[in-house]
Formats: sequence, structure tokens, C-alpha cells
Amino acid sequence: GAGVSQTPSNKVTEKGKYVELRCDPISGHTALYWYRQSLGQGPEFLIYFQGTGAADDSGLPNDRFFAVRPEGSVSTLKIQRTERGDSAVYLCASSLSLAGGRNEQFFGPGTRLTVL
Amino acid sequence: GNSVTQMEGPVTLSEEAFLTINCTYTATGYPSLFWYVQYPGEGLQLLLKATKADDKGSNKGFEATYRKETTSFHLEKGSVQVSDSAVYFCALRITGNQFYFGTGTSLTVIP
Repeated sequence: GAGVSQTPSNKVTEKGKYVELRCDPISGHTALYWYRQSLGQGPEFLIYFQGTGAADDSGLPNDRFFAVRPEGSVSTLKIQRTERGDSAVYLCASSLSLAGGRNEQFFGPGTRLTVL
Repeated sequence: GNSVTQMEGPVTLSEEAFLTINCTYTATGYPSLFWYVQYPGEGLQLLLKATKADDKGSNKGFEATYRKETTSFHLEKGSVQVSDSAVYFCALRITGNQFYFGTGTSLTVIP
């Protein structure tokens, strides 16, 4: 079946602009996660959802970052007033659920965001 | 706090050589430990995991043992192949589902 997909694969924007990054999880996966991977670093947790609600958003760096998952499937990560330091690869992952053996995370290919 | 420290790369080995990538961790509580692999042009994939002390995870000839006494989860493979060339990430997960990843180790295997 189809894996996690993310669009766009690349996004170039100017400082101060607003961007939206989309994640389509694997069908039937109730949990969805966002990570940010800066150059030369490992993925850094941002937020995860169980269904429509954000179960843990403690990794969002500041209030310019926001994520939604209104119907419990597709999620959008929104970044306002982008800064050059936001440049990174944004990864999305999904899992069947949050519990026990059903929480293996499957990652998408990422969206590379470049803020000029 | 929670963190993972892994061996810096890049690592270059000849085919059939023995591989070790070191990983140590700091965690509050009792973490589960993971190795993820990222092949060129692909997303992160789970390679193996261990959920409690002394567990050994294994997959595709790779192994790692959860050592609580040394807070380590070193990745090993007895004979690497060119197709193992990738970036390897050590990670831990504490209660909840928040992962903490290391910085990654790039492995290149030459014929």
C-alpha cells in the first residue's frame, strides 16, 4: 500500500512569508507525528496527534508554528513569518496508534524548506 | 534530560568488513531504543529496536543489544555490503511517543 506522502517535496520562500506543509499518513493510521531535521542533525520532535487532537505539542519551537489535523487524517504544518533559521527538512510519520506494539512510526520522504 | 549521542561519521568500509556504530543515551525513566536507517533518496525506516534491558534487536544481519549498565545500544554487522550504504540514526523513546534522535552516522561501503 501507499506510504506516508508529503507535499511539496521542496519549498523555497522568502523571509517573513507564510508556508503550509502537508502530510498524508498511511490509511488507517490514527497517530501522526511531525519532526524537523536541520542539516547534519537528527530529526527533532515537533508535535504529534492522536486522531484530530494534538496529544503533545511541546516540541513546537514558538508560536509561529502550528499544526492541524481537522479530520484525523491529513495534517498541515503551518509556519508564519518564516525566518532563515526555519530552513530544514520537515518530516512526517504515522503509526497505527500510540499504544504498545502498534506504534511503529513510518516516515515520509520529507519536505525541504528553504527560507531565503 | 533525554538525549542520544552517536558516533560521528562519515564511516567508510570495504565490503565484508565488520561494522560498529556506537550509540549511548541519557534518559529519564526506562526508554525503548531504536536504530533507523535512511537510504539515499528515501525516508527513515526502522531497522531494529529493543524495549528493555538486555534485549537484542536484529534485522538484515544488523544487531544491537540494550545495555542498561553502560547506557549503550551499539549497532553491529559482521559483514557489510555495498547496499548497506546509508545514514544510520540511533533513537530513544520514553513514555508517550516522543522520539529523541542522534545526529546520524553516514556509512559508505566500497566494493
